[in-house]
Amino acid sequence: GAVVSQHPSWVICKSGTSVKIECRSLDFQATTMFWYRQFPKQSLMLMATSNEGSKATYEQGVEKDKFLINHASLTLSTLTVTSAHPEDSSFYICSASHPGYGYTFGSGTRLTVV
Amino acid sequence: GQQLNQSPQSMFIQEGEDVSMNCTSSSIFNTWLWYKQDPGEGPVLLIALYKAGELTSNGRLTAQFGITRKDSFLNISASIPSDVGIYFCAGHNAGNNRKLIWGLGTSLAVNP
Repeated sequence: GAVVSQHPSWVICKSGTSVKIECRSLDFQATTMFWYRQFPKQSLMLMATSNEGSKATYEQGVEKDKFLINHASLTLSTLTVTSAHPEDSSFYICSASHPGYGYTFGSGTRLTVV
Repeated sequence: GQQLNQSPQSMFIQEGEDVSMNCTSSSIFNTWLWYKQDPGEGPVLLIALYKAGELTSNGRLTAQFGITRKDSFLNISASIPSDVGIYFCAGHNAGNNRKLIWGLGTSLAVNP
């Protein structure tokens, strides 16, 4: 079946530093990747949609300069949280999509900014 | 953004009982999906529905795509402790750049 690998599973960083999260589709080519943010006991909030080779489309209220998304290949997308602050602490989840494979989710990244 | 109305918000049941949860939308969907999320993990797909009226089973789970295309339900029969988790519905429209619209989740607790 379709597998999406997300790394790291958790990261602690100092305020002001940047953190990169990787999302890889292991056995299929993902034409579209989605990045979500999830706060405790809440649903998934879509941050942005990225298609391979083109700029990401950000949801309203999501700062594109703070959450940099790169989708350089059909199997890899990265989310970089720049100049992280404690309020950026959250659970970040990626999802890869390809016609015929539906939507497959990574296992998530717990980001804690101290 | 748009969210689906998912109910109930939480359930606490005895092992062996059946469970039912549902989602409604103000707009029509082409696809309904049901996911389960364990703590600290990403959602895992349980059942995907692609046609109005479709009834699909996956083991003890059964889900239906409503005739109006604006609702779906998920049933779990004979619940077991490992059914504990948060269940989310999600819907998709063909013309929405493949974005999923999510329900707020149903938290299920099973008492052994």
